[in-house]
Amino acid sequence: GENVEQHPSTLSVQEGDSAVIKCTYSDSASNYFPWYKQELGKRPQLIIDIRSNVGEKKDQRIAVTLNKTAKHFSLHITETQPEDSAVYFCAASKGEPGGSYIPTFGRGTSLIVHP
Amino acid sequence: KAGVTQTPRYLIKTRGQQVTLSCSPISGHRSVSWYQQTPGQGLQFLFEYFSETQRNKGNFPGRFSGRQFSNSRSEMNVSTLELGDSALYLCASSLASKQGADYGYTFGSGTRLTVV
Repeated sequence: GENVEQHPSTLSVQEGDSAVIKCTYSDSASNYFPWYKQELGKRPQLIIDIRSNVGEKKDQRIAVTLNKTAKHFSLHITETQPEDSAVYFCAASKGEPGGSYIPTFGRGTSLIVHP
Repeated sequence: KAGVTQTPRYLIKTRGQQVTLSCSPISGHRSVSWYQQTPGQGLQFLFEYFSETQRNKGNFPGRFSGRQFSNSRSEMNVSTLELGDSALYLCASSLASKQGADYGYTFGSGTRLTVV
């Protein structure tokens, strides 16, 4: 089955710096890569996603890049703010006959932004 | 539009008891998945229901079961509770269908289960 590895497990930055979280996946058939943000005591929320036919996607201060050949994708956050502090999860999934889209999640990265 | 609603928010149960958790997905979402979240293990997939059928199952013992009703609402049940079952149980609904592309999850706020 799919295996998703996420690094680093903890990332500490100063406000205004950039943050990068990297994930690798094992199944070359995976074609959908979402990122979730979970603030302390809250639900995970989908913040950005990318499909395998796209190399990069941006939404204001966040961007995701995908390298299908190397089977890795990354989350980039620019001009970090204290409210970006949270646990970020990457995931990989694929459509299968019968419609299964169960994602495999990374273990999460705790991002701490110091004011 | 209403989000994913999970009830109850908190539960305290004694070892050996059983518990039922409820999840109402976003209107129009037919896929409902359940996850167990613990600090050490991250997000662990329990099962997924689609159109009242269990379509996928994770690696949890048979004490964990679920069902989905015709209105897409889902319940999960844990019997013979163990201390290790203490966790946040998250429900997630999705537009994913047999023909459609994956649109990711919308998670509920979860049920915090404590087994004592």
